Amino acid sequence: NAGVTQTPKFQVLKTGQSMTLQCAQDMNHNSMYWYRQDPGMGLRLIYYSASEGTTDKGEVPNGYNVSRLNKREFSLRLESAAPSQTSVYFCASLGLQNEKLFFGSGTQLSVL
Amino acid sequence: GEDVEQSLFLSVREGDSSVINCTYTDSSSTYLYWYKQEPGAGLQLLTYIFSNMDMKQDQRLTVLLNKKDKHLSLRIADTQTGDSAIYFCAERSRGGGNKLTFGTGTQLKVEL
Repeated sequence: NAGVTQTPKFQVLKTGQSMTLQCAQDMNHNSMYWYRQDPGMGLRLIYYSASEGTTDKGEVPNGYNVSRLNKREFSLRLESAAPSQTSVYFCASLGLQNEKLFFGSGTQLSVL
Repeated sequence: GEDVEQSLFLSVREGDSSVINCTYTDSSSTYLYWYKQEPGAGLQLLTYIFSNMDMKQDQRLTVLLNKKDKHLSLRIADTQTGDSAIYFCAERSRGGGNKLTFGTGTQLKVEL
């Protein structure tokens, strides 16, 4: 039982490049989330997926897209990276009792 | 939308108690959480409280909830250097997606 697994852990992009952040959970959770963490701003929700087959915008969705590939996997895509997207990205999934949010270890992304 | 606020820094001496405060705006919050983040790591759930409770104690941790004032606090008794971290308050409101809204985080520094 690995919990929530995110890849990669680190990434450096040039402005305009694209990439996909991968997230998978093996806890059979329904809801999954992508957050970004910036200094002094806490965690802000980018997108979430309440269940397989559904996705919704969070607080800061612009510049991102997501795919809920199946129940296990929820990916975040940056189509044309911008320096403002330099951040630490966290994937999370919600426990089956709908109480606890389990987090991945994060992806540190720098856009030059 | 929902808003969660915390002070940014707190410094205490080893052995003293730490109290980290949080205010939130959403009156329909169902669960309120405290997460801990150590440098370079993801978020670790410390404790949570259901909105119909006033207090929850878990070893050195005491959570107090004043629902009328929308105020949540985390008290850490006998604070140790290993408690140095960023502490995030989060609230989960009713409604679609079971989204959590996080505060900005409080950096706790424990001095010898």
